[in-house]
Amino acid sequence: EDQVTQSPEALRLQEGESSSLNCSYTVSGLRGLFWYRQDPGKGPEFLFTLYSAGEEKEKERLKATLTKKESFLHITAPKPEDSATYLCAVQADRGGSNYKLTFGKGTLLTVNP
Amino acid sequence: DAGITQSPRHKVTETGTPVTLRCHQTENHRYMYWYRQDPGHGLRLIHYSYGVKDTDKGEVSDGYSVSRSKTEDFLLTLESATSSQTSVYFCAISVLGYEQFFGPGTRLTVL
Repeated sequence: EDQVTQSPEALRLQEGESSSLNCSYTVSGLRGLFWYRQDPGKGPEFLFTLYSAGEEKEKERLKATLTKKESFLHITAPKPEDSATYLCAVQADRGGSNYKLTFGKGTLLTVNP
Repeated sequence: DAGITQSPRHKVTETGTPVTLRCHQTENHRYMYWYRQDPGHGLRLIHYSYGVKDTDKGEVSDGYSVSRSKTEDFLLTLESATSSQTSVYFCAISVLGYEQFFGPGTRLTVL
């Protein structure tokens, strides 16, 4: 069974204080690892897809990295508008059309001005 | 904006009544999904579809059914709503089965 564990559950930062969120996963045959951002009362917003160990992707102050067992979402010099819940999900390569995502419970990030 | 709408956005109903939630997409993508999101559980897959009339169960499908008679619409039905089905329901679409794009959600309360 695919499993995703995110840590910490909550993180409070001061504006400009860089940090990282962790996503540990167990999956038999990784097809893709996905990061989403979710604001209160809204649907998850897609950020990144990572396909293989060693891959990195960046978007503004966010950089996602991937190893064979975990992914990190690095936040550089965060701003209050980066406050949100960040979700990690994995997709296994099982053939057919079962392309379901298994999500972690998320990290609630709060950035104080 | 992935062109996904969900209706209704909020609904309050009573135990035992049938409820249908609608997901509509404007992009004609092949894959569509229904999730529920609950505190402490995260997002969990209820049902998904990989084409018109092609659907399958997710991890929490008991008490739910789905139908997809047109590419653009994916319906989720609670045949007889229970309080345990109080949740926020999200629809998602996918082009090639990789990244999924989510709708705004439906908040359902079953009294």
